[in-house]
Amino acid sequence: QMQLVQSGAEVKKTGSSVKVSCKASGYTFTYRYLHWVRQAPGQALEWMGWITPFNGNTNYAQKFQDRVTITRDRSMSTAYMELSSLRSEDTAMYYCATTTPGVAFDIWGQGTMVTVSS
Amino acid sequence: DIQMTQSPSSLSASVGDRVTITCQASQDISNYLNWYQQKPGKAPKLLIYDASNLETGVPSRFSGSGSGTDFTFTISSLQPEDIATYYCQQYDNLPPAITFGQGTRLEIK
Repeated sequence: QMQLVQSGAEVKKTGSSVKVSCKASGYTFTYRYLHWVRQAPGQALEWMGWITPFNGNTNYAQKFQDRVTITRDRSMSTAYMELSSLRSEDTAMYYCATTTPGVAFDIWGQGTMVTVSS
Repeated sequence: DIQMTQSPSSLSASVGDRVTITCQASQDISNYLNWYQQKPGKAPKLLIYDASNLETGVPSRFSGSGSGTDFTFTISSLQPEDIATYYCQQYDNLPPAITFGQGTRLEIK
């Protein structure tokens, strides 16, 4: 079955960077967009951006344009999200998810908790 | 950017009740509107896609309707396992962007 498995929880210092991985299985990795969505504690879901695994093209939400980089390794069927210049407000659960052609998130990773403190 | 206004932010209802949540887009999004259920500590789950299509395996008591700017999500007969937070989500392609509503927390009365 289609599955996304993410790397484990991270604790980071303010100003540093974090890189979270998302390994896909059960489908052809290059056939579906791979997105990152985050959720701060008690808050709503927030879309960060996507990557087209086939050619590596990316599209980022304006809010994160200057700080986020999404990459992929086709040979490993794995996508990565790196967020730089971390601040306390970046403390959140980070999810990867893949979408149908109609851009509905039908498969989600289990989430990676990132905690940022000074 | 398109803004999504979801209401209410919280809702308390009894088992068996009909529950309705609305989502309004700041501009026409055709039927590019999806609904999700999120239970505490879990990833969201897709329930309805393209405004009115039931995802495979989702109980038929869940339904969605609407197009353009106004959308509705309905649970026809609330069950105890439906306690969760529900989100709408839209996709815009000019420029490409995805927005979630602020969520509706559903509780049992």
